[in-house]
This record gives sequence, structure tokens and C-alpha cells, in this order.
Amino acid sequence: ETGVTQSPTHLIKTRGQQVTLRCSSQSGHNTVSWYQQALGQGPQFIFQYYREEENGRGNFPPRFSGLQFPNYSSELNVNALELDDSALYLCASSIARAPLYVQYFGPGTRLTVT
Amino acid sequence: AQSVAQPEDQVNVAEGNPLTVKCTYSVSGNPYLFWYVQYPNRGLQFLLKYITGDNLVKGSYGFEAEFNKSQTSFHLKKPSALVSDSALYFCAVRATDSGGGADGLTFGKGTHLIIQP
Repeated sequence: ETGVTQSPTHLIKTRGQQVTLRCSSQSGHNTVSWYQQALGQGPQFIFQYYREEENGRGNFPPRFSGLQFPNYSSELNVNALELDDSALYLCASSIARAPLYVQYFGPGTRLTVT
Repeated sequence: AQSVAQPEDQVNVAEGNPLTVKCTYSVSGNPYLFWYVQYPNRGLQFLLKYITGDNLVKGSYGFEAEFNKSQTSFHLKKPSALVSDSALYFCAVRATDSGGGADGLTFGKGTHLIIQP
């Protein structure tokens, strides 16, 4: 069974640029959630995708957007990067969208905005 | 709105001693509760969850957690700590009634657990 994978591992961008992060779900999982973990903080929920549609969103502006593909992999796109966007971005997959199901996390992408 | 509090930034325990990492939560209705562990430069690893039923939940690596509804707490415990348990631990909550949607988990700020040889 393949776990959740994310790419790239690290990324450095300049303020104002755009970035795309990628996530492959664990085998058999159809729901993907994205989280932002700032240094010294717990992860914060960005949004969740189920059946290729956004299924819930946290307190993040519209410049954070996403996609889910038919194979359940997902992308997180961030436009107009700001310095505060520097963080570890975590992807999590689950077997379904119901809140009782465990979310399994990938290793994350470390984004640095300069 | 839901929230999680982990009142201790760091917990120090001698190897072989019991450990407790504290967590309290606030949520409308009944909660689903989770503990995750994070090692340096790694993602989060699932330890255990409380959904319903027995208030004492057993999880991976000998960890367990006790759900206390009256105190809105879900403390993580282990009878005998190992040096390899040293890591960052996160408590998370999700309301059982998501209103038809399925928003994400709400995490605490994390507690650094340091096990001293």
C-alpha cells in the first residue's frame, strides 16, 4: 500500500509569484485535505476535495485554490505569494469525506517566500 | 467554532516513567478526537482516535488516551516512556455534525515531549 506523497519537498519563491504543490493520495482514498503549518504552530485547515469538488474550506483567502483529479491526486495553488505564506504545507487523504475517518498525512512541502 | 488547547509547550519525562500530554477541546455537539505525532522534518503520523464507546482508547506504540466528556479533555498517556517517544504531539478535534460538509481537523499548537535517558 502506497502512502501519501507530496512534491516538491522544498520550494523557494519570491513574493508576488505563484506556486503549485502536488499530492498523491494513499491507495484507496478518495478525499484530500490541505493544511498549512507555520513554524511553531499546529496545522491549519485550508480546504478539502471530494469527487473533484471543494467540500469545505478554512479561513484562507481565494488566492489559495485547489484541484482534485480523477485519480484522486490533488494540487494546491497559491497566487500572489506573501511572506506569511512561508510554511510547511501538508496534504492528507482519507477513505471518505466523513469526519470520523482518519486523515493520513504526507511528509509535506516546505515553502519559503522571500 | 471548535478549538483545541494543549496547555504545555513542553513535557519532560525520564525514560521508564509514565507520561501524560494534556489536551482540552471545545466543539458544538459530540467530538471526534485524534492524536498525531510529528518527527522533525516529517509529516504527521496518526496515533489514535476517539469516535464513540469506551472512554479509554488504545493506539500505536503503546499510547492510549482517555476521553472525559465532563472535563472536555482527551489526554494522551503511556505507562512507560521510551527515548524514541521524543517528538511533537498534536491533539485534533472535529465535530460529529459537520452540517453536511466535511471541514478539516482543528489542531492544537502541539506539545514537545522530551524523554530523558
